[in-house]
Amino acid sequence: DTAVSQTPKYLVTQMGNDKSIKCEQNLGHDTMYWYKQDSKKFLKIMFSYNNKELIINETVPNRFSPKSPDKAHLNLHINSLELGDSAVYFCASSHPGSYNEQFFGPGTRLTVL
Amino acid sequence: AQSVTQLDSQVPVFEEAPVELRCNYSSSVSVYLFWYVQYPNQGLQLLLKYLSGSTLVESINGFEAEFNKSQTSFHLRKPSVHISDTAEYFCAVSDYLECDNAGNNRKLIWGLGTSLAVNP
Repeated sequence: DTAVSQTPKYLVTQMGNDKSIKCEQNLGHDTMYWYKQDSKKFLKIMFSYNNKELIINETVPNRFSPKSPDKAHLNLHINSLELGDSAVYFCASSHPGSYNEQFFGPGTRLTVL
Repeated sequence: AQSVTQLDSQVPVFEEAPVELRCNYSSSVSVYLFWYVQYPNQGLQLLLKYLSGSTLVESINGFEAEFNKSQTSFHLRKPSVHISDTAEYFCAVSDYLECDNAGNNRKLIWGLGTSLAVNP
């Protein structure tokens, strides 16, 4: 009955590798987001999709590529991982008319060695 | 552009003491205000929100926040904190520029967070 789920919860990998994080929401929401939270807890939006259409693309290296196969899923693929990519990545979703009330997944802790 | 300032990065308090976590935003246009809580090693959860109506809003676990338009503030308060309130608290703002007429979503503007540490 999880509302917003992410896999994996932990991801440890070497520099230069390519990895993906998956996100699914069963709330029927139209909009989904990816956030990056650094070690100081600063939360930065990366991408937002509305009905599978990209609507927010903040200043993020093009090594990061989101993909939304349907409106319940938003995956994040990262190429050529760098040390600075180490962070916790959160997926979130929101529904129309909610003025941006967002529901968050549990996070994926990415560690790049 | 809208911005959010959380004036205290860390707030240490003793159990059963009152606490106030401060949040100010920059724009006086119509805004929608949120407080989120992040317990250790977890995702963010909505604590309370102000969309319209009464300027005092409450959560189910004893927190309250008051929307003050003249001071552009949305401070979070609790009269008596518990150890279990130890967490990171984030203030977030969405203004009408970031929503269409139907209230559909663009993005939230986030504060940097306040770390509340409740000590016995």
